[in-house]
Amino acid sequence: DAGVIQSPRHEVTEMGQEVTLRCKPISGHNSLFWYRQTMMRGLELLIYFNNNVPIDDSGMPEDRFSAKMPNASFSTLKIQPSEPRDSAVYFCASSPDPGILNSGANVLTFGAGSRLTVL
Amino acid sequence: DAKTTQPTSMDCAEGRAANLPCNHSTISGNEYVYWYRQIHSQGPQYIIHGLKNNETNEMASLIITEDRKSSTLILPHATLRDTAVYYCIVRVLSNFGNEKLTFGTGTRLTIIP
Repeated sequence: DAGVIQSPRHEVTEMGQEVTLRCKPISGHNSLFWYRQTMMRGLELLIYFNNNVPIDDSGMPEDRFSAKMPNASFSTLKIQPSEPRDSAVYFCASSPDPGILNSGANVLTFGAGSRLTVL
Repeated sequence: DAKTTQPTSMDCAEGRAANLPCNHSTISGNEYVYWYRQIHSQGPQYIIHGLKNNETNEMASLIITEDRKSSTLILPHATLRDTAVYYCIVRVLSNFGNEKLTFGTGTRLTIIP
């Protein structure tokens, strides 16, 4: 099992450019989460999906941010246009279907993160 | 979600048991206690969770008080690799599946050689 795979691991871009971060969840996991981490604000949930459907996007900071999950094995987080305050580490996590007994619910496996620097 | 309170930082000698407390005095009956940790520059890692009984796995033990208002995560024989930020999270298990987890500021545990 390769775990949750994120790309790119590092991205440096200039203000105003479009940024696309990618995530491949663990095969068979049906929930996917995007988090952002900064020194000032800690770890913040941006959005999460269940069965490819966005459930809660209340953490998405503004319209410049969008996330998609076109299928069970891929998700993107896009920032357009990017700003210096978007500089952060972005984590993707996935979790299996807890099933009838709710076993394993809320047990997330995180990727290694994508470190974004916007100049 | 119930609010949790953790010490900002703790030190523990290598080889000793590390006991990390968490206060969750407003926890409701259907809320579980989860522990995650984040080693520097890595994504958070799930450790353990429980409802009211004590739990143990290969990583740690979780002791929940009888009134469920507090819990302690125990790393029985701490190693230098256990240096990390440890997060205590309280969350309900929904009948609809996974729910969003909110991470607080956690406890920064430093293992001293």
